[in-house]
Amino acid sequence: NAGVTQTPKFRVLKTGQSMTLLCAQDMNHEYMYWYRQDPGMGLRLIHYSVGEGTTAKGEVPDGYNVSRLKKQNFLLGLESAAPSQTSVYFCASTSLPGMNTEAFFGQGTRLTVV
Amino acid sequence: ILNVEQSPQSLHVQEGDSTNFTCSFPSSNFYALHWYRWETAKSPEALFVMTLNGDEKKKGRISATLNTKEGYSYLYIKGSQPEDSATYLCAPLGGSISYDKVIFGPGTSLSVIP
Repeated sequence: NAGVTQTPKFRVLKTGQSMTLLCAQDMNHEYMYWYRQDPGMGLRLIHYSVGEGTTAKGEVPDGYNVSRLKKQNFLLGLESAAPSQTSVYFCASTSLPGMNTEAFFGQGTRLTVV
Repeated sequence: ILNVEQSPQSLHVQEGDSTNFTCSFPSSNFYALHWYRWETAKSPEALFVMTLNGDEKKKGRISATLNTKEGYSYLYIKGSQPEDSATYLCAPLGGSISYDKVIFGPGTSLSVIP
């Protein structure tokens, strides 16, 4: 089973460039999340989606956009990359977060903005 | 937005020691609590999802308790092993905004010294 797959695994961007990170899940989960990992701050929620066609802001949404056109895919876009967006990005999905159902994470995307 | 605290921030124990750490959260409008284990250079993996006051869950040497009235959960590790070294994250769901966001606390970093 593939579970949650993130593409790409690594990327280096120049300041001002744009890119899209893809998260794909094959578990038919309704809920999907994008996080960034920052030293000393754990995982911070960027945006999330509670179903196909829906998106919502998390804790640190500025500088990012998301789309959920298909239930299985959740895209994270950086419109104009900045060095402050250098981080490891994790995607997660779950069926119902409060009903004894855990979140499953992708393997992470390491992004460096120079 | 929930104010999630985890203590201690970091912990160093000798192999064989038992240890515990705390996740604190506002007790009003509690919905569920997730515990995750996050090893360096890997993705977070779920340990427990807890929903009821007084819940106790166990997985091998790791167990957790939940007190929703006073707003805390304890994670216990019995006889720590080097492979238990990881960051342990909690994510309480509920509060005044949404039951859909999985927002993590800052984590407790555990190092088990052989």
